[in-house]
Amino acid sequence: QVQLQESGPGLVKPSETLSLTCSVSGDSIRSEYWGWIRQPPGKGLEWIGTIYYSGNTIYNPSLTSRVTIWIDSSRTQFSLNLNSVTAADTAVYYCARYAVTPGRYFDSWGQGTLVTVSS
Amino acid sequence: DIVLTQTPLSSPVTLGQPASISCRSSQSLVHSDGNTYLSWLQQRPGQPPRLLIYKISNRFAWVPDRFSGSGAGTDFTLKISRVEAEDVGVYYCMQGKQFPLTFGGGTKVEIQ
Repeated sequence: QVQLQESGPGLVKPSETLSLTCSVSGDSIRSEYWGWIRQPPGKGLEWIGTIYYSGNTIYNPSLTSRVTIWIDSSRTQFSLNLNSVTAADTAVYYCARYAVTPGRYFDSWGQGTLVTVSS
Repeated sequence: DIVLTQTPLSSPVTLGQPASISCRSSQSLVHSDGNTYLSWLQQRPGQPPRLLIYKISNRFAWVPDRFSGSGAGTDFTLKISRVEAEDVGVYYCMQGKQFPLTFGGGTKVEIQ
């Protein structure tokens, strides 16, 4: 059974870069697509972007100018950078597996990590 | 972008009674491959979301049969036949037909 775990700083200053890593265990990172989703406190879910193990990425157009997702050389982690952050980027950030077959859904999620943007 | 609108925002339910959540899409979710990529997720308080139903009506591995999904095209429904205490939380629909992937705003199911 696949397990995902987010890690990274819980506090980021405005205008700086938010950096998170998702560690994957119990499944090969080559098996599917992987994604980042965020949830501002008390609000709904927003898809940030998705990556395939080959490195191909697709980003939410609302964030594409600020976001980068990549799979690192160990091939058991994938990471997120979001630059020029503001208070509006304060959210719980989740990593998840995106299964294209059979149904194009997020079937495994990390526990999430709260990132607060504040000086 | 495909906009998903969920109603109601909140659904107070008596234990053992049914609950129903609607998800309406701004455009058809039927993909060119013939599949309709509409899924439902449950988020219990303090927990990450977890997959409940995919492709309109297919229950995921852990899901009890009191949960059912239905619909077609642009209108979809999630039903809980008899609400149990563990069903309290927020339910989201999500479309995987095209990027950007989008979610409904969520419906809170609570016990009255």
